[in-house]
Amino acid sequence: AQSVTQLGSHVSVSEGALVLLRCNYSSSVPPYLFWYVQYPNQGLQLLLKYTTGATLVKGINGFEAEFKKSETSFHLTKPSAHMSDAAEYFCAVSGRGGADGLTFGKGTHLIIQP
Amino acid sequence: DVKVTQSSRYLVKRTGEKVFLECVQDMDHENMFWYRQDPGLGLRLIYFSYDVKMKEKGDIPEGYSVSREKKERFSLILESASTNQTSMYLCASSLGSYTGELFFGEGSRLTVL
Repeated sequence: AQSVTQLGSHVSVSEGALVLLRCNYSSSVPPYLFWYVQYPNQGLQLLLKYTTGATLVKGINGFEAEFKKSETSFHLTKPSAHMSDAAEYFCAVSGRGGADGLTFGKGTHLIIQP
Repeated sequence: DVKVTQSSRYLVKRTGEKVFLECVQDMDHENMFWYRQDPGLGLRLIYFSYDVKMKEKGDIPEGYSVSREKKERFSLILESASTNQTSMYLCASSLGSYTGELFFGEGSRLTVL
């Protein structure tokens, strides 16, 4: 069975500072990993995904994540936070095939301080 | 562009009422899903379907049922709504591939009084 742990239900950073959102996973098979973003009163939007190949994955809005198998981690980063990045972020894992859906973490609310 | 449409963004129902949440996708995806989202709990899978008239229970199916009569439409049914079913409900779809990427609707916020 798969599971996802997101460290920190709330993360606060200053505008222009580094954003780091942590995600650790467990999976009995090679994982496919995802980060989604949710703005208030909206559905989830894909930020980036790792399937195979290069372990550093670039996504939309300047975000990137690195798959580290030895650490079972897939942390999300952005060099410089912008006010528009304030949102809920979800890490997810898929290891059993697309028909079974994704297993999500509990989410991290990113707060940007002016 | 990819589109998953949930018919109702906001609903208010009374305890014991039957509730239908409708979801339509225009991407010819095989797989469709219903998730429930609650603060501090993330997204939890209620039911999913990998083909017309097929359905599988997710992690929290109790109190819910689903219907998929056409490929593009997946309905979530609350036979007798209860206050603990007050939540945000998210519909999603995906191709029948291993990548697992989901495309989400904008959500239906249900309040049961």
